[in-house]
Amino acid sequence: GAVVSQHPSWVICKSGTSVKIECRSLDFQATTMFWYRQFPKQSLMLMATSNEGSKATYEQGVEKDKFLINHASLTLSTLTVTSAHPEDSSFYICSALTLGLAGGAQETQYFGPGTRLLVL
Amino acid sequence: SQQGEEDPQALSIQEGENATMNCSYKTSINNLQWYRQNSGRGLVHLILIRSNEREKHSGRLRVTLDTSKKSSSLLITASRAADTASYFCATRTSGTYKYIFGTGTRLKVLA
Repeated sequence: GAVVSQHPSWVICKSGTSVKIECRSLDFQATTMFWYRQFPKQSLMLMATSNEGSKATYEQGVEKDKFLINHASLTLSTLTVTSAHPEDSSFYICSALTLGLAGGAQETQYFGPGTRLLVL
Repeated sequence: SQQGEEDPQALSIQEGENATMNCSYKTSINNLQWYRQNSGRGLVHLILIRSNEREKHSGRLRVTLDTSKKSSSLLITASRAADTASYFCATRTSGTYKYIFGTGTRLKVLA
């Protein structure tokens, strides 16, 4: 099946630094990717919708200047956590949307394995 | 919050028993999907059910959808210890490709 990778799988950084997380669809093209954040024992919260070639759409309450999203190609979206603080420590998960065969016959989101961020 | 609600929050059963978890949502949807997440890992897609469908099966999984009540249920039959995980429903709002996740059910299957 379709594979989505994330890099790095985990990162530890000092407060105030910026961290970039990559999300790649390995064997399909994704015009739309999503970024989620998940705190321990909680559900996934959608942060933003990333569309190739256009600006990301952020959910209410998500600071677009703090979480920079770039969807540079049909297989790559990046999330940069700028000036990270301890409260940004979380599990960040991306997903890529494929409409499957025949323009939507089997729409599925494929999720990356996640990136665990710890800000000290 | 748009987030869907799932119940129970946690469920502990013996191997071989059936597990049922429920999901309620708030908006009109295009489809609803169920996912499994093992501790600290990514999500695995289980099943998709469209708004015009009422029931779907996949192996030991049975999903129902009641759009009039804005609710769905996931039944896992003959559960195994390997089914231990968190289960989430996710709804796609009509007119968008956004998915909103439910609060999740943590299932523990005891051997």
